[in-house]
Amino acid sequence: KAGVTQTPRYLIKTRGQQVTLSCSPISGHRSVSWYQQTPGQGLQFLFEYFSETQRNKGNFPGRFSGRQFSNSRSEMNVSTLELGDSALYLCASSLGTGQGIKTQYFGPGTRLLVL
Amino acid sequence: DAKTTQPPSMDCAEGRAANLPCNHSTISGNEYVYWYRQIHSQGPQYIIHGLKNNETNEMASLIITEDRKSSTLILPHATLRDTAVYYCIVRVSNTGGFKTIFGAGTRLFVKA
Repeated sequence: KAGVTQTPRYLIKTRGQQVTLSCSPISGHRSVSWYQQTPGQGLQFLFEYFSETQRNKGNFPGRFSGRQFSNSRSEMNVSTLELGDSALYLCASSLGTGQGIKTQYFGPGTRLLVL
Repeated sequence: DAKTTQPPSMDCAEGRAANLPCNHSTISGNEYVYWYRQIHSQGPQYIIHGLKNNETNEMASLIITEDRKSSTLILPHATLRDTAVYYCIVRVSNTGGFKTIFGAGTRLFVKA
């Protein structure tokens, strides 16, 4: 079974631009979560989607948004990029949101550099 | 706001058991403990999870204390490839879903 895939793997943008990252979960998984990882802040939760609905959200500004499609694929968007948005963006999928089936499997990440 | 506390780093000799501790003193009765590890620049890899019983799989063993306020991940025969950051996570249950909070983790160095 294929793992979580994320595209693109690497991205360079300039301040003020916007970016869209894509995540394809493991087949059959319906929950997708997004995380931002930086050297200073570590792994921080962005948001979680289940059945096309945002179920939970971390403490990030409104410039960070996401959505999930009917096939469970998910995208996240960052508008008006800032230098501090440079990070590794990780996507994780799980079967659902119940405790017993909450094991998340992570993708390789998209490394975003904002210049 | 992490609900877990781990030592920042640990060393282990190759071939020996690596015992990584985690404190989660405010864990609720229905919250699971999960362990992941991250090798540099890769996505975190799931290792094991448990509720209150000890668990074992092909990668590791998880020992949870009876009061569930702490746990220990055991890598029985550490290899150089086990050098990574290990995260102990407690699932935080919010209305309508779950939010995962990662702490700083433990950086494990396995030495030859």
